[in-house]
Amino acid sequence: GENVEQHPSTLSVQEGDSAVIKCTYSDSASNYFPWYKQELGKGPQLIIDIRSNVGEKKDQRIAVTLNKTAKHFSLHITETQPEDSAVYFCAASKGSGGSNYKLTFGKGTLLTVNP
Amino acid sequence: DVKVTQSSRYLVKRTGEKVFLECVQDMDHENMFWYRQDPGLGLRLIYFSYDVKMKEKGDIPEGYSVSREKKERFSLILESASTNQTSMYLCASSSSLETQYFGPGTRLLVL
Repeated sequence: GENVEQHPSTLSVQEGDSAVIKCTYSDSASNYFPWYKQELGKGPQLIIDIRSNVGEKKDQRIAVTLNKTAKHFSLHITETQPEDSAVYFCAASKGSGGSNYKLTFGKGTLLTVNP
Repeated sequence: DVKVTQSSRYLVKRTGEKVFLECVQDMDHENMFWYRQDPGLGLRLIYFSYDVKMKEKGDIPEGYSVSREKKERFSLILESASTNQTSMYLCASSSSLETQYFGPGTRLLVL
């Protein structure tokens, strides 16, 4: 089955700096890659996702890049703010159709933004 | 807005008890999922369902069962709770558009 590795497990940055979290996946059939943010005491919330026909996607201060050849994708947060502090998860799936909806998650990255 | 609700935020049970965790979604989603979340292990899929009465094992189904009698409701059952099932349990739902929406979680303590 799919295996998703996520690095680093913890990341501490100063407010205003950029943060990068990287993930690799093993199944070349995976074609959907979401990123989730989990704040303390809450369930994970989708912040951005990318499909395999796209190399990069941006949404304000957040961007995700995908390299299908190397089977890795990354989350980039620019101009970090204290409210960006949370646990971030990457995930991968094969997309639509029955059991293909199953997401395999990385183990998470605890991001701390210091004021 | 999509809303996924879970029956309890916190639950304390005794070893050997039968435990029911309920999840309800209000967006007519076909797919529903149960995960457990443990420190350092991320989210691991227990079971999922892509249609009413359809279920499929995830990565760690041992010790759990599920029930989906209605489209909006997906139940996770611990037949005989054990201390190693102490964890945070997260329910999610999705449509054919793939995005999974999560509930707030149930923190279960088995004594």
